Amino acid sequence: EPEVTQTPSHQVTQMGQEVILRCVPISNHLYFYWYRQILGQKVEFLVSFYNNEISEKSEIFDDQFSVERPDGSNFTLKIRSTKLEDSAMYFCASRGTGAGELFFGEGSRLTVL
Amino acid sequence: DAKTTQPPSMDCAEGRAANLPCNHSTISGNEYVYWYRQIHSQGPQYIIHGLKNNETNEMASLIITEDRKSSTLILPHATLRDTAVYYCIVRPPNPNDYKLSFGAGTTVTVRA
Repeated sequence: EPEVTQTPSHQVTQMGQEVILRCVPISNHLYFYWYRQILGQKVEFLVSFYNNEISEKSEIFDDQFSVERPDGSNFTLKIRSTKLEDSAMYFCASRGTGAGELFFGEGSRLTVL
Repeated sequence: DAKTTQPPSMDCAEGRAANLPCNHSTISGNEYVYWYRQIHSQGPQYIIHGLKNNETNEMASLIITEDRKSSTLILPHATLRDTAVYYCIVRPPNPNDYKLSFGAGTTVTVRA
């Protein structure tokens, strides 16, 4: 069964450092998403991406965040200068056209010290 | 988006059916009801969705009341691997609007 893959599974970084989280969506999907989940809290929408541009973003997704699809397969989330409160599990997701379901990856755990 | 209300937790015996209720009394005419689950902080997993009719797939059945103000997810034969947090989510009809709003969900514990 096709799946969304994410790397790294866990990243530890110092506050103020840049972090890039990588995702390989399912190959024929066109819509891409990032969600995050702070430990013990709800899963929160960050951003949606389609046709090489952001479709929608949440209030969380401020200027410190950016997304990119640098080639035909990867979809990345960059945090420019990490803060302690960015510590969370970050989930990438993708879906096809007209599809009813969103496929999530297993997540990348980010720990900011 | 319409808000959903779910019980915070429920237990279920292995092999028995698990019936998970969800209230979405403010749902509008064309909003879909989706169910996802999250097993121990893994990525959420799609289960099923519906609009007006009841739906069934290999994982579960979804029963939506006629007034669409509530629904029930049925896991027909719960196994230990079904222990997870189950989320009932209402999604707008716009196919390009997939900003899912996850609540606290129902923590389902399947016991042997």
